[in-house]
Amino acid sequence: KAGVTQTPRYLIKTRGQQVTLSCSPISGHRSVSWYQQTPGQGLQFLFEYFSETQRNKGNFPGRFSGRQFSNSRSEMNVSTLELGDSALYLCASSLDQIGELFFGEGSRLTVL
Amino acid sequence: GESVGLHLPTLSVQEGDNSIINCAYSNSASDYFIWYKQESGKGPQFIIDIRSNMDKRQGQRVTVLLNKTVKHLSLQIAATQPGDSAVYFCAESADSNYQLIWGAGTKLIIKP
Repeated sequence: KAGVTQTPRYLIKTRGQQVTLSCSPISGHRSVSWYQQTPGQGLQFLFEYFSETQRNKGNFPGRFSGRQFSNSRSEMNVSTLELGDSALYLCASSLDQIGELFFGEGSRLTVL
Repeated sequence: GESVGLHLPTLSVQEGDNSIINCAYSNSASDYFIWYKQESGKGPQFIIDIRSNMDKRQGQRVTVLLNKTVKHLSLQIAATQPGDSAVYFCAESADSNYQLIWGAGTKLIIKP
């Protein structure tokens, strides 16, 4: 069974640009969560989607958005990038809300 | 200039000894707790979880202990091996929102 796949693995953007990150969950998993990981703030929850609906949202500005498609694949978008958005963005999938999360290897974003 | 970031608590353990990683949680309503391991360059990986109706749960070489009175969670790793080197995160959630709140992490270093 393939694991959670995130693309791209690495990317470099400049301030003011926008970025879209993609996540393909494990087959059969309907819940997809996104996290931002930085050395200064640890793992911070962004949002969680289930059956194309956002069920939970963390405390991030509106520049951070996401969506989920009918095949459970998810994307997150960050607009008007700031230097502080440099981080590892992790996607995790699970069968439902509670229980084991399966993480991808992350997309490392550097904003210059 | 010098960057300021989160300095992870670090635990150094001799190979073959037992490791105990501690975690304090703040929400008395939390009733689900989970431990993850993150190796360098990878996403977090599930280790073990426990519900608040239990105070101990064992897995393969790992034991999680929950003390609800003092809101403390610990992960014990028996006969620590080099492959156990990683950052260990605890996380908690309450059934009311299912959102996981993550601890800052503890870096486990294995001394040969």
